[in-house]
Amino acid sequence: DTGVSQDPRHKITKRGQNVTFRCDPISEHNRLYWYRQTLGQGPEFLTYFQNEAQLEKSRLLSDRFSAERPKGSFSTLEIQRTEQGDSAMYLCASSLRGRGNTEAFFGQGTRLTVV
Amino acid sequence: AQTVTQSQPEMSVQEAETVTLSCTYDTSENNYYLFWYKQPPSRQMILVIRQEAYKQQNATENRFSVNFQKAAKSFSLKISDSQLGDTAMYFCAFIQYSGGGADGLTFGKGTHLIIQP
Repeated sequence: DTGVSQDPRHKITKRGQNVTFRCDPISEHNRLYWYRQTLGQGPEFLTYFQNEAQLEKSRLLSDRFSAERPKGSFSTLEIQRTEQGDSAMYLCASSLRGRGNTEAFFGQGTRLTVV
Repeated sequence: AQTVTQSQPEMSVQEAETVTLSCTYDTSENNYYLFWYKQPPSRQMILVIRQEAYKQQNATENRFSVNFQKAAKSFSLKISDSQLGDTAMYFCAFIQYSGGGADGLTFGKGTHLIIQP
């Protein structure tokens, strides 16, 4: 296990379609985060899991977005009825919960283009 | 809510020069961490350096060091002897420490650093 992996790396979809992204965190990490990064901006926090529990969701995460982490390992982020404004890089990160353990390791991201 | 501000959208320096990237933040919390992340073109974000708010001593990692001014809520990154491989987007980030662990990172908009040969 060499790091956080995300699949696919690139996704082009037509407006109105549903898309799903996958993130595989570092195996011993119990926290998993999703961020969205648009061009020229820093990543914006979307949601995070501790094990299988989704503990926090940003107001950026509209009803069309849903995230799961069914067994506390990999996670999926689904966007329903995609809109052009959803075009962005979706980043996943993982970390190990505990005092002093604050470093988040990022995947390479999934770039979504909605046409 | 926490905010992170990076006032330099882009900087360019010659190889081997020293460069300082600025970052200010706003928070009412007392326990937090600050980070500088590097995002090379088309590559994943990696941690450059980390500073715990309760530590007065500035963090240093090889050619990278920070100037942490807690009262001024300032957290600048100094890169010494800059190298071509330092060319990247640099993001300042804040995370609140909430007892058993940390919540999501708050990022600035980034500074695009270009190292010229």
